[in-house]
Amino acid sequence: DGGITQSPKYLFRKEGQNVTLSCEQNLNHDAMYWYRQDPGQGLRLIYYSQIVNDFQKGDIAEGYSVSREKKESFPLTVTSAQKNPTAFYLCASSPLGGRNEQYFGPGTRLTVT
Amino acid sequence: GDSVTQMEGPVTLSEEAFLTINCTYTATGYPSLFWYVQYPGEGLQLLLKATKADDKGSNKGFEATYRKETTSFHLEKGSVQVSDSAVYFCALTSSGGSYIPTFGRGTSLIVHP
Repeated sequence: DGGITQSPKYLFRKEGQNVTLSCEQNLNHDAMYWYRQDPGQGLRLIYYSQIVNDFQKGDIAEGYSVSREKKESFPLTVTSAQKNPTAFYLCASSPLGGRNEQYFGPGTRLTVT
Repeated sequence: GDSVTQMEGPVTLSEEAFLTINCTYTATGYPSLFWYVQYPGEGLQLLLKATKADDKGSNKGFEATYRKETTSFHLEKGSVQVSDSAVYFCALTSSGGSYIPTFGRGTSLIVHP
């Protein structure tokens, strides 16, 4: 089955530690995205990539980093510089082009204490 | 820039009631319009979409019509079920530019038996 996977579902870290969230897709989509969702809030774009080895900052990129070494994979690192990292993180992918919907992974809930 | 405005939630209904969730947008050109649904603890999934004016998207009893004259894409369902309880997001992608989606803030729907 084609789809987009995120792991792990739940992640716990101590303050000051970097943590990497995984996102993999086998849909052959060119574009991939990372969003942050806080309770009762909408989606906020962190980073996106439309081609391998290239990515762009979204609205809230500070304290985050990404890489896109393979078309299928777009990992997100939450660094210790991110002031309030506890949130629900969603990865998505889509074909390029405005008529195409996004496909979302199941999300990773990160808790930093 | 592009924007999407959704009605504030939560919307609370009894089972079998009629549902309307309002969505209006601001965009240049001819955007594509989408409704996504998010069940608790999960990622978003596409509910329906419309890519040109007067198109009607429909799925699982939900419908929305792309109204360019009123820049609206209201979501409707004739008879809601408890299982429809979720958060609903309206979104658009512009016809030009980067194709990065713009999301509304989401509307929570609670359906009581």
